[in-house]
Amino acid sequence: DAGVTQSPTHLIKTRGQHVTLRCSPISGHKSVSWYQQVLGQGPQFIFQYYEKEERGRGNFPDRFSARQFPNYSSELNVNALLLGDSALYLCASSWTGVSYNEQFFGPGTRLTVL
Amino acid sequence: QKEVEQNSGPLSVPEGAIASLNCTYSDRGSQSFFWYRQYSGKSPELIMFIYSNGDKEDGRFTAQLNKASQYVSLLIRDSQPSDSATYLCAVITEEDFNKFYFGSGTKLNVKP
Repeated sequence: DAGVTQSPTHLIKTRGQHVTLRCSPISGHKSVSWYQQVLGQGPQFIFQYYEKEERGRGNFPDRFSARQFPNYSSELNVNALLLGDSALYLCASSWTGVSYNEQFFGPGTRLTVL
Repeated sequence: QKEVEQNSGPLSVPEGAIASLNCTYSDRGSQSFFWYRQYSGKSPELIMFIYSNGDKEDGRFTAQLNKASQYVSLLIRDSQPSDSATYLCAVITEEDFNKFYFGSGTKLNVKP
């Protein structure tokens, strides 16, 4: 079975630009969560979507937005990129969006902002 | 603010020894606890989860949870060099059951 897939693998942008990251969950999983992982830190929660609805949002500015499509894939958008947005962006999928979730991570997208 | 604390390490153990990794959390409403392993440059892999007080064993791994003391630990028996990685602790709280709160991870080095 295919795991969580993310694209692109690596991305280089300049300050002020916009970026879109994509994620496809494990087949049958209906929930997708997005995390930002800065080098040396644990993943920080950005969003969770379940059945195309936002179920949770972390402490990130409005420059960060996301959506989930009918096929449960998801996009994370970041506007007006800052140097501090450079990080590994992880997508995780789980079967449901309710209590007790086993989340499985994709390989991540490495974003570098110059 | 929900805090999940881990010693950053590195924790060095000889091959074949038991590695003990610890995690403390601040929110008493924390419900479920997860251990992930992350190799350098890779994404986290789920090792195991626990939500009841006591021990849970899975192969060489044992998770231990003590809700009264607000800590969860991971024991790795017969440590192998391939176990060398960063181990991340994550919790879900009753209030924010859609959010995983991660610690910063403990780096484990298993020396041959």
